[in-house]
Amino acid sequence: DIQMTQSPSTLSASVGDRVTITCRASQTISNWLAWYQHKPGKAPKLLIYKASRLENGVPSRFSGSGSGTEFTLTINSLQPDDFATYYCQQYYTYWTFGPGTKVEIK
Amino acid sequence: EVQLLESGGGLVQPGGSLRLSCAASGFTFSNYVMSWVRQAPGKGLEWVSAISDSGSKSYYADSVKGRISISRDNSKSTLYLQMNSLRVDDTAFYYCVKDRGPTGSEPAFDFWGQGTLVSVSS
Repeated sequence: DIQMTQSPSTLSASVGDRVTITCRASQTISNWLAWYQHKPGKAPKLLIYKASRLENGVPSRFSGSGSGTEFTLTINSLQPDDFATYYCQQYYTYWTFGPGTKVEIK
Repeated sequence: EVQLLESGGGLVQPGGSLRLSCAASGFTFSNYVMSWVRQAPGKGLEWVSAISDSGSKSYYADSVKGRISISRDNSKSTLYLQMNSLRVDDTAFYYCVKDRGPTGSEPAFDFWGQGTLVSVSS
């Protein structure tokens, strides 16, 4: 089974900050990686697919990069609506989520 | 507009059974792989099961294999999850999710239902 890790587990940031979250896979997954935003009481939202492709309607301050085993999600100029938990997900073999990174207000 | 509406959650005793349903609309249901994802209280997201667009192939996480069965009725645009031998650690919100691309071409999850809560407790 492919295991996913994320760092950090919690991130404290201010509005306007640039934020980077790292995701690692236990084996190569090419670019079969997605990023989701999840807020309490709401359904998760797809942000990035195929490691770097921005989903329709997602603000351009979100970007993804990486391939193989190491990936990053970057949020440029953090907005109040961006405080949430972010999950990476591999779909190279079945589907596995990372443990999540909570972005909280500093 | 794509809509996924789950139902069937509730309180059940350990060892009991429950059947979840997901009514889909706003897209050609029969063209898409569908999955169930769950989130236990205070925990992260966990993929549970997936089914091919035709319904001929199904896939399960090791944590539920042998106890859970996924199925679909393309004529009714409805996805199901039959849950048997339920355990306390199956307690979670269960989300119905749709693949982004048809016929498994892009397996990221682009639409999620609002979830239905399954509570397993004596």
